[in-house]
Amino acid sequence: DSGVTQTPKHLITATGQRVTLRCSPRSGDLSVYWYQQSLDQGLQFLIQYYNGEERAKGNILERFSAQQFPDLHSELNLSSLELGDSALYFCASSVGGLPNQETQYFGPGTRLLVL
Amino acid sequence: GQQLNQSPQSMFIQEGEDVSMNCTSSSIFNTWLWYKQEPGEGPVLLIALYKAGELTSNGRLTAQFGITRKDSFLNISASIPSDVGIYFCAGQLRNYGGSQGNLIFGKGTKLSVKP
Repeated sequence: DSGVTQTPKHLITATGQRVTLRCSPRSGDLSVYWYQQSLDQGLQFLIQYYNGEERAKGNILERFSAQQFPDLHSELNLSSLELGDSALYFCASSVGGLPNQETQYFGPGTRLLVL
Repeated sequence: GQQLNQSPQSMFIQEGEDVSMNCTSSSIFNTWLWYKQEPGEGPVLLIALYKAGELTSNGRLTAQFGITRKDSFLNISASIPSDVGIYFCAGQLRNYGGSQGNLIFGKGTKLSVKP
């Protein structure tokens, strides 16, 4: 158990819909990262938040957005869903702030299926 | 963008055999990481490497950070059935100013161990 929690574990929805994935980082971690894992693209970094502010952006679509709240939990919002958005979405957290505090610990993931 | 080439893509071995997998990149990295992912779970960090030439062990696992900073390998000695899973390498650049860069993942090596 990494200490990172993600809900829901599974999500089935239809094209065009909007979903919200939730992540709670390990206690004491200030950084939260979101990743998408699909069969063809592998693990792709989407976005990072540190202490409530966006720190880095990866291959995140404009239809996707994220935020980190004052209690440090984070939400990833996926809108206008397409079939190709079906994937595993992972959240990871790290202490953040200093290079030797940046080991990322991954949550169990949310499996999204868009029909 | 940056890509990591991880090989082999899959391995089928007999219990007790040693395993070797590697990652190469066209870019240099400041950090190499090796993760293991089991079905239904998020990636779990196995070994982190921070210096070129560094050789680090974690039980039966040994990983090295290549001198050129463009490659890394992971060895598993005396494999056992619970070693089954997908092993991912990940490279990370340190941004100017010392903050961490994004993690770039390889496509993974799927390991199957026959008892």
